[in-house]
Amino acid sequence: GAVVSQHPSRVICKSGTSVKIECRSLDFQATTMFWYRQFPKQSLMLMATSNEGSKATYEQGVEKDKFLINHASLTLSTLTVTSAHPEDSSFYICSAISLDNTIYFGEGSWLTVV
Amino acid sequence: GQQLNQSPQSMFIQEGEDVSMNCTSSSIFNTWLWYKQDPGEGPVLLIALYKAGELTSNGRLTAQFGITRKDSFLNISASIPSDVGIYFCAGPSGGSNYKLTFGKGTLLTVNP
Repeated sequence: GAVVSQHPSRVICKSGTSVKIECRSLDFQATTMFWYRQFPKQSLMLMATSNEGSKATYEQGVEKDKFLINHASLTLSTLTVTSAHPEDSSFYICSAISLDNTIYFGEGSWLTVV
Repeated sequence: GQQLNQSPQSMFIQEGEDVSMNCTSSSIFNTWLWYKQDPGEGPVLLIALYKAGELTSNGRLTAQFGITRKDSFLNISASIPSDVGIYFCAGPSGGSNYKLTFGKGTLLTVNP
């Protein structure tokens, strides 16, 4: 079946550095992907919509200059957390929409900023 | 934006018991989705509901789309230890069928 893969699954970075998280649709093309953030013991909150070949659209309150999204191909969207701070530590999850309009979620990426 | 109120927040049950959780919204949803999330993993779709009044089963799971389109429930029958996890309801928001708003989740613990 369709699979969405995220990499890395876990990453630790130093405060002030940038870190990139990848979301790949492994056996289907996805013109649209979504990025969610989930803090411990909380729900998933939509951050942004990643559109292949165009700029991402961000939800209210999400800083576009801090969370850079690039959707350069039909199978890959990347989320770069720039100048990361400890409060950015979270579980980041992507979803991708297949051609038959099914939503598939990735396995998630744990980010810890120290 | 649209908000989903999910209850209960957590449940502790004995293996073999049935469990029910529900979601309500102040606004109408055209789709209700129920997901399960295991620790450290992404959510996995359990049941999708598309029509008001629809009752759908997936094994021991049953979910219904409320007639008013503002609520849904999920039932799990004869619970087993592997049912442990967080269950989320979700629905499309922001004018897109694919941008999801999630409930706050129900943490289910099943004692063997």
